[in-house]
Amino acid sequence: DAGITQSPRYKITETGRQVTLMCHQTWSHSYMFWYRQDLGHGLRLIYYSAAADITDKGEVPDGYVVSRSKTENFPLTLESATRSQTSVYFCASSAQGISSGNTIYFGEGSWLTVV
Amino acid sequence: AQSVTQLDSHVSVSEGTPVLLRCNYSSSYSPSLFWYVQHPNKGLQLLLKYTSAATLVKGINGFEAEFKKSETSFHLTKPSAHMSDAAEYFCVVSDLYGGATNKLIFGTGTLLAVQP
Repeated sequence: DAGITQSPRYKITETGRQVTLMCHQTWSHSYMFWYRQDLGHGLRLIYYSAAADITDKGEVPDGYVVSRSKTENFPLTLESATRSQTSVYFCASSAQGISSGNTIYFGEGSWLTVV
Repeated sequence: AQSVTQLDSHVSVSEGTPVLLRCNYSSSYSPSLFWYVQHPNKGLQLLLKYTSAATLVKGINGFEAEFKKSETSFHLTKPSAHMSDAAEYFCVVSDLYGGATNKLIFGTGTLLAVQP
């Protein structure tokens, strides 16, 4: 089925471990985003990508790494997980840039707990 | 700098009564404004968006919002609440001219409860 799929949906990991959250979209959208959602903060942008091999930092990039070797995939890696990275992570995509007022489509989220 | 304020963190209504979720924004330019809905354990779904066309915007599921520049508001309304409307709602602003990088600014959300 077309859309954005995130995996895993739920993950528990230990402090210091590396974790990768996968995101795959089937629309061939140019733009992809990673957000984290925390109580009292709404959603905050971690990283975004305007096209394959082009990525840039958002508001809260520290502790995260992204790559975009293919248009349809945008994995997010926590190189050494910390408890403060316990959150719900949302991947999103858009055909064009947000500044054009274009619609952004969200995945269903990945719940990550770091113990 | 852009910002968005959702004035109520929780709103409770009875089924069949009107819904009003309030949102005020601050933007240096002509903003694009959105309302998203998030049902439990789900991603965010676009309800409606304003991008400098008609100030009254109609969305899905009977929701609408009115852009009022003089009041810097973009309140979400629905004439009659349904149980399935119970969810969290996010007001979102973006910079139309792209001067602030490609990002959306999210409000902190309003949790709507619908009582039978």
